[in-house]
Amino acid sequence: GAGVSQSPSNKVTEKGKDVELRCDPISGHTALYWYRQSLGQGLEFLIYFQGNSAPDKSGLPSDRFSAERTGGSVSTLTIQRTQQEDSAVYLCASSPRPRDNQPQHFGDGTRLSIL
Amino acid sequence: QQQVKQSPQSLIVQKGGISIINCAYENTAFDYFPWYQQFPGKGPALLIAIRPDVSEKKEGRFTISFNKSAKQFSLHIMDSQPGDSATYFCAASGGGTASKLTFGTGTRLQVTL
Repeated sequence: GAGVSQSPSNKVTEKGKDVELRCDPISGHTALYWYRQSLGQGLEFLIYFQGNSAPDKSGLPSDRFSAERTGGSVSTLTIQRTQQEDSAVYLCASSPRPRDNQPQHFGDGTRLSIL
Repeated sequence: QQQVKQSPQSLIVQKGGISIINCAYENTAFDYFPWYQQFPGKGPALLIAIRPDVSEKKEGRFTISFNKSAKQFSLHIMDSQPGDSATYFCAASGGGTASKLTFGTGTRLQVTL
C-alpha cells in the first residue's frame, strides 16, 4: 500500500502487560513520528526518528515507553507494564524531508485499551 | 503547557454556511501551521497549511487566515457540506531540526442539512 500502515488496529490487554505497536512508514520517507491521541484530546508528540540520527525522545511520558526503528524503516513502540492511563490511540506518521517542513502522513492508528 | 489553543471545541453549521475554527499559539519559533481533518477511526489527513510569510492561503473551499502579530490563525470552510463533518486539528511546528507537530485539542464540526 501507499500509506502508513499500523498494526494491530486494535489491542486489548490487561494492566501490567507489555505491548508492542508496529508502524510501516511510506516507502522512501526518512522521518517517522509517534503521537498519542487520548479520548477527546489532541495529538501528543511522543518520539521522532530521522535517518541515522539519535531519536528525539522528548515526548515520551515515562521510562515505560520506548521505541525502535530498524533499518531506517519499520518502527516499534513498546509500552512496558501498561497502566490504564496508557489507553489511547497511538498514531504513527512519516514524512520525506522534515527540514523542509514537508507534511506528515498519518496511519490510522492502533487503538490500545488497558483493562 | 498548551502551546496551541483551539476553539471552539464543537461547532454546528448548516449546509452552505461558513465554518470558522480559531487557533492561537505561544511559541514565536513556530514557522509552519497545518490543519488536519480526521474522520472517526481514521488518522488525521492534511487539509491545508500555511507559513508565516503570507497572511492567507486558499485551496478550494478551505482558507487559512494568519495573523503573525496576534499569533493567531484560523480555518474557514466555505459552503460547508455534510461530508465536511469531522474533527479538525490545527497544529504548529518549527524551532528546531525536528518538525514535530504541536496540536490543538480539536474541533468537532457537524454540518446539518
